[in-house]
Amino acid sequence: KNEVEQSPQNLTAQEGEFITINCSYSVGISALHWLQQHPGGGIVSLFMLSSGKKKHGRLIATINIQEKHSSLHITASHPRDSAVYICAADNTDKLIFGTGTRLQVFP
Amino acid sequence: DAGITQSPRHKVTETGTPVTLRCHQTENHRYMYWYRQDPGHGLRLIHYSYGVKDTDKGEVSDGYSVSRSKTEDFLLTLESATSSQTSVYFCAITPDRVGYTFGSGTRLTVV
Repeated sequence: KNEVEQSPQNLTAQEGEFITINCSYSVGISALHWLQQHPGGGIVSLFMLSSGKKKHGRLIATINIQEKHSSLHITASHPRDSAVYICAADNTDKLIFGTGTRLQVFP
Repeated sequence: DAGITQSPRHKVTETGTPVTLRCHQTENHRYMYWYRQDPGHGLRLIHYSYGVKDTDKGEVSDGYSVSRSKTEDFLLTLESATSSQTSVYFCAITPDRVGYTFGSGTRLTVV
């Protein structure tokens, strides 16, 4: 079993829909990272969080340390949000990555 | 600009040839990492560096070596490339292992 599991693996949405991507981890962490990767593109860091909730524009990330679970929400989704979203558990001396969630938002 | 550059962006090479990928940063960050990204796997750590001439192995280091003779450059070498090393390679930097910045990736094909 992977130490970091994401669900769903693939997600299709209509423009305007509310999106939720989940991440569960089984290791101790100092922080949890959410990353975005556009097709053929590099990787961009969206959030790093160790507790509670963070918001940036239409993106919201939450984490429940007791349940070892984090979610990434996208409100009012847009086609430009189409990308692979990756969570990574920060295990103090290394990052452990999930396999990513591929999101496609159609107009 | 992000302050991190990978070169080359794309490379096709033959089995058995040596290949060197370069990661260059202008941020003066202490830590530098090489990852590979393959379908069905999350990014996997190959090697990392915590200072000039200070490097250590990651989970998939077999067949790879690294060098860091200057703060700004972290080189990844495949001594004798194999088809299993066909992958997308990402470099990442961080000053403090808190916030990470990733390069744009190098797509390597070994034929």
